[in-house]
Amino acid sequence: AQSVTQLDSHVSVSEGTPVLLRCNYSSSYSPSLFWYVQHPNKGLQLLLKYTSAATLVKGINGFEAEFKKSETSFHLTKPSAHMSDAAEYFCVVSEAGNNRKLIWGLGTSLAVNP
Amino acid sequence: EAGVTQFPSHSVIEKGQTVTLRCDPISGHDNLYWYRRVMGKEIKFLLHFVKESKQDESGMPNNRFLAERTGGTYSTLKVQPAELEDSGVYFCASSQAAKMSGLGTDTQYFGPGTRLTVL
Repeated sequence: AQSVTQLDSHVSVSEGTPVLLRCNYSSSYSPSLFWYVQHPNKGLQLLLKYTSAATLVKGINGFEAEFKKSETSFHLTKPSAHMSDAAEYFCVVSEAGNNRKLIWGLGTSLAVNP
Repeated sequence: EAGVTQFPSHSVIEKGQTVTLRCDPISGHDNLYWYRRVMGKEIKFLLHFVKESKQDESGMPNNRFLAERTGGTYSTLKVQPAELEDSGVYFCASSQAAKMSGLGTDTQYFGPGTRLTVL
């Protein structure tokens, strides 16, 4: 069965410094992996997705993630944090087959300090 | 193009009452999903429609929950009777028709959610 572990429940960075949000997954199949973001009082927005093409995936707002099969990781990074990046981030794996249901991590709350 | 919409945004009801949540997917999207996040827990899958048919309802907690998608457009999720543990945020998502190649996974676009509080 697939599962997702987000290694940090809270991350705090200073504006202008790099962001690293860690995610490990467990999957019996070649997974599809996603990062979603939820800003306060907003809906869930897709940041980026990996679907067995390039292992380095670029998303919106300067975020990117690298799929590392040997480490079963899909960490999210950004070179320089902005105040508007403060939000909750979710790492997600898609269950294989026609089902396509999404399996979610618990989320990481990112705080950006001035 | 309008996104996924959900109604109401908030609902506060008493234990034993009935509540119906509505989701309008993006026009033309055959797939519709319901998810729920209970406080402190991860977002969990409830069920998946393909057009008007239930493809997978393995995540439905119990028979107090009834989902419908008549005509393959909007969907409703009814909770009857509501219990305290049903409180949480209910998300709806939609995606385009499944690709026969099976390559990758269609992107699911989410609505803003309905926050349900059962007192």
